[in-house]
Formats: sequence, C-alpha cells, structure tokens
Amino acid sequence: DSGVTQTPKHLITATGQRVTLRCSPRSGDLSVYWYQQSLDQGLQFLIQYYNGEERAKGNILERFSAQQFPDLHSELNLSSLELGDSALYFCASSVYRNTEAFFGQGTRLTVV
Amino acid sequence: KNEVEQSPQNLTAQEGEFITINCSYSVGISALHWLQQHPGGGIVSLFMLSSGKKKHGRLIATINIQEKHSSLHITASHPRDSAVYICAVKVNTDKLIFGTGTRLQVFP
Repeated sequence: DSGVTQTPKHLITATGQRVTLRCSPRSGDLSVYWYQQSLDQGLQFLIQYYNGEERAKGNILERFSAQQFPDLHSELNLSSLELGDSALYFCASSVYRNTEAFFGQGTRLTVV
Repeated sequence: KNEVEQSPQNLTAQEGEFITINCSYSVGISALHWLQQHPGGGIVSLFMLSSGKKKHGRLIATINIQEKHSSLHITASHPRDSAVYICAVKVNTDKLIFGTGTRLQVFP
C-alpha cells in the first residue's frame, strides 16, 4: 500500500458526460501529480500541483481541469467525455519536487 | 524518435536468470525513475536515481549521466517479478517523460 488513495477504482460513463476523480496523497506529501495511461499513448503526465498551486502542466486537454485543496487532496475533472478518454488515470504524490513519488492504484475510466 | 527508449520491449526468462532492462534518453534530466506495473494495473516506484547505483533486495539500478543511459537488473529472477517495467525521466519542469515499458515474464 503506497498510502495514496484514489477513488473511484472504476468508472463507466457515457460520452458527453463529466466525471471527477479524487486523489488523497500520502500524509505529509505536498506534491500531487496526475497521469493518464491509455493503450495507444502509454503513460503521459497531465499536471502537477504543489501545496495548492499548479506547478507543471503536460499533455492535459482543455476539457480536463484539476485542483488541489487546502487539505492537499486533489481532484481531476474530465468533461465532455469522448471514447478516446477511456484510460487508467493515476495520481502520485511526493514530499517535494525531486523526491520519490508514490502512486495510487489508479482509476479505470471507461467511456461508452 | 521518443525521448525515452527502452529495450527490450518484451522479455521472457526462466526462474533464476539474471535480467537486464535498458533505458536511454535524449533530454536533460534531473532524475530517472524505474517503475513496476503489475497486471492489475497498479504502479510501484522501484528507484529514483540521479547518479551512480542503487540496490534494493534483488533489484539493482544504475545510471550513467554522460551516456544518458540507465539499466535495471534483476538477480535470481522469480515468477512474481513478471510485470511491466517502465523507465521515466524527470525534466526540469517536473514533468515525467515515460518509456513505453518492458514486459517481463519469468517462467518457473
């Protein structure tokens, strides 16, 4: 158990819908990272937050947004969902920028 | 060309064999990670390296910054080592760039 909790584990939704994925980092970790793993693209970095502020942005679509709350948990919001958004979404946390990151078990999103 | 290349893509071994997985990268990095992903999908961080060598149990990771190359070695491999091993490099913006992974199967 990495100490990073992601909910839900599985999510099935229809095209055009909006979903929210939640991540609770390890106790004391200030950085939260979101990644997407799809069959055709592999693992891709989406976005990073550090202590509530956005720190780095990767290949995140405009339909996607994220935030980190004062209690350090983070949410990834995916809207106007398309079939191609079906993927595993991972959250990871670390104490600071260049320290080891610990991964959650992922949320498997299926868009039908 | 991908910024992070792993080889081989697939690897099969007999239990007890010594295994090496290679990772080459073409960008400047602040650190390199080795990750393990089991069939269930969960990802475990094995190592984070910025220089030299690290060892944890039967796993050894090395990095050569000048040659932009890292290796992950598994000694005395076991069927429970069967997984996908992913190399990822951290660039200065905190972004992680991932390799495509090496699928390892160890047979008894």
